[in-house]
Amino acid sequence: EVQLLESGGGLVQPGGSLRLSCVASGFTFRNYALNWVRQAPGKGLEWVSSISPIGVSTYYADSVKGRFTISRDNSKNTVYLQMNSLRVEDTAVYYCAKSFVTEADAFDIWGQGTMVTVSS
Amino acid sequence: EIVMTQSPATLSVSPGERATLSCRASQSVSSNLAWYQQKPGQAPRLLIYGASTRATDIPARFSGSGSETEFTLTISSLQSEDFAFYYCHQYNKWPPSFGQGTKVEIK
Repeated sequence: EVQLLESGGGLVQPGGSLRLSCVASGFTFRNYALNWVRQAPGKGLEWVSSISPIGVSTYYADSVKGRFTISRDNSKNTVYLQMNSLRVEDTAVYYCAKSFVTEADAFDIWGQGTMVTVSS
Repeated sequence: EIVMTQSPATLSVSPGERATLSCRASQSVSSNLAWYQQKPGQAPRLLIYGASTRATDIPARFSGSGSETEFTLTISSLQSEDFAFYYCHQYNKWPPSFGQGTKVEIK
């Protein structure tokens, strides 16, 4: 079964850091781009970041550029999102999503999400 | 950034009726448009990609159409499990962007 499983969410104070992880199974991880998409409480979906299949290319939303870093370890079938200088407005469920193939593609598989709450 | 605008915000439909959801792009996205379904407390699920291709295991009552800037998701005969939020997503140009969503509710 094709699956993505996120972890690492939690409560953090403004200015703090968190690292999210997403472990994949059921497909050849190194062949596909991976993405992070977030959803603030009661709001719609917002793309956050993407990484190419071998990790050479990375992309970020303006709202997180310079604060978040996406990376992947193809030997561990895992993609990460390092989040620094967190703000209250970063509070959201963070989903890991697999691209059909490339970075610019539909998202065909989604994880169940991990909640990040930024609050003092 | 390409702005995706969905209408209506809420669609009230009776079971068995047809539902038509719209998505408009602020500039052409060719056919690089996807639709997702999301139920409360769940992750989104891909329904349609390439504007009109159904994803794996998606029932035939879901269909997508359109190109360039105007797109439509049609649910031919609403079932109880179809009441949910629906989002369009353009992946033609960076950054990818989503519409604000349409809630399909029971009339």
